[in-house]
Amino acid sequence: QKEVEQNSGPLSVPEGAIASLNCTYSDRGSQSFFWYRQYSGKSPELIMFIYSNGDKEDGRFTAQLNKASQYVSLLIRDSQPSDSATYLCVCGSGNQFYFGTGTSLTVIP
Amino acid sequence: DTAVSQTPKYLVTQMGNDKSIKCEQNLGHDTMYWYKQDSKKFLKIMFSYNNKELIINETVPNRFSPKSPDKAHLNLHINSLELGDSAVYFCASSRWGLDTGELFFGEGSRLTVL
Repeated sequence: QKEVEQNSGPLSVPEGAIASLNCTYSDRGSQSFFWYRQYSGKSPELIMFIYSNGDKEDGRFTAQLNKASQYVSLLIRDSQPSDSATYLCVCGSGNQFYFGTGTSLTVIP
Repeated sequence: DTAVSQTPKYLVTQMGNDKSIKCEQNLGHDTMYWYKQDSKKFLKIMFSYNNKELIINETVPNRFSPKSPDKAHLNLHINSLELGDSAVYFCASSRWGLDTGELFFGEGSRLTVL
């Protein structure tokens, strides 16, 4: 059973703070890692993807990958109320995608 | 121009009825998926097709039957609907390859079984 674990939250941070979302995965064969954001009643949308160990930055978002520890994280700097959503960690292995249960983030104005 | 479109967006029906959801993608992808998202928001894979061929068939009741007439379309037919089938069903597509590409989602079809 290939599992992707996330803390379901809810995670609350004040506006302007750093939100830190974490994810661990069980399949060492996973090659691609994605963070999707899902607003209530909407479909998931891609925020970040990362394939190699280390950090990847895109604007206020930084994804971190540590394959040895089987750990992926997403940092959101200068959090905004519009960042309030559920964040899904997804691991790709070949042509299969394994979803975490999502972390609910609330940014308090 | 919508990349992955699914219809209808909302379905309300009685137990025992049969319903279909259609999905089309214009991204040129080879692989299409159906996911079910229940009230706890967990996205569970149901089926995956690559170039019209079924490649993933998770433990789904055989009341659910996918059909892929071509690689741009993947439809889902559900027979004898049950209360537990109420959920949001998402269609998605991705490119096929050794490195896993991004999943593109449709807007979802919310099915309510009364």
